[in-house]
Amino acid sequence: RKEVEQDPGPFNVPEGATVAFNCTYSNSASQSFFWYRQDCRKEPKLLMSVYSSGNEDGRFTAQLNRASQYISLLIRDSKLSDSATYLCVVNPNDYKLSFGAGTTVTVRA
Amino acid sequence: GAVVSQHPSWVICKSGTSVKIECRSLDFQATTMFWYRQFPKQSLMLMATSNEGSKATYEQGVEKDKFLINHASLTLSTLTVTSAHPEDSSFYICSANSRGLAGLTGELFFGEGSRLTVL
Repeated sequence: RKEVEQDPGPFNVPEGATVAFNCTYSNSASQSFFWYRQDCRKEPKLLMSVYSSGNEDGRFTAQLNRASQYISLLIRDSKLSDSATYLCVVNPNDYKLSFGAGTTVTVRA
Repeated sequence: GAVVSQHPSWVICKSGTSVKIECRSLDFQATTMFWYRQFPKQSLMLMATSNEGSKATYEQGVEKDKFLINHASLTLSTLTVTSAHPEDSSFYICSANSRGLAGLTGELFFGEGSRLTVL
């Protein structure tokens, strides 16, 4: 089983729509969780960390469910510029990060 | 914010040649840098952890004699793909922790990536 699994999508949504997707992780001892955004042929960039209580950053909301070992990302009022691949990143130990393969989101006009 | 610079961005080489990729932390010292490889539509896979002043730690399945890593200073790590073959064609990305610690207590910043194509 992969350490981090994501629905690859793609999620095709119109501007203004809400889109949400999950990521599951296998190591129950994982302590840190992140969502990174990766544009085509570019390096990943941190979108937001995911905190136990859930957190929001503008139109983006991240949730963590330790019991079921998944994190989620919700994007409200989607913009064209939100089109990207969203990588779920889990820190299972002190220095290694485990990356999901990414969920592709395409926002259309 | 902290910046990691990677060079070259693109490289095309003939099979059998060696290619060196540089990763620099521009405004912070990174005692540890990480090298990843990403094939199309796949996860970033950690290849090795580069430690300043000591030998790199390679992940299982990654050939240390093929992927030579040198972390000679606190701001520079290099990855050399020796005797490259077409199957080595991939997107290679380095990263460093902004606090320069082995532990991930800060945001991980990525280089721009190097796209290697081996003919």
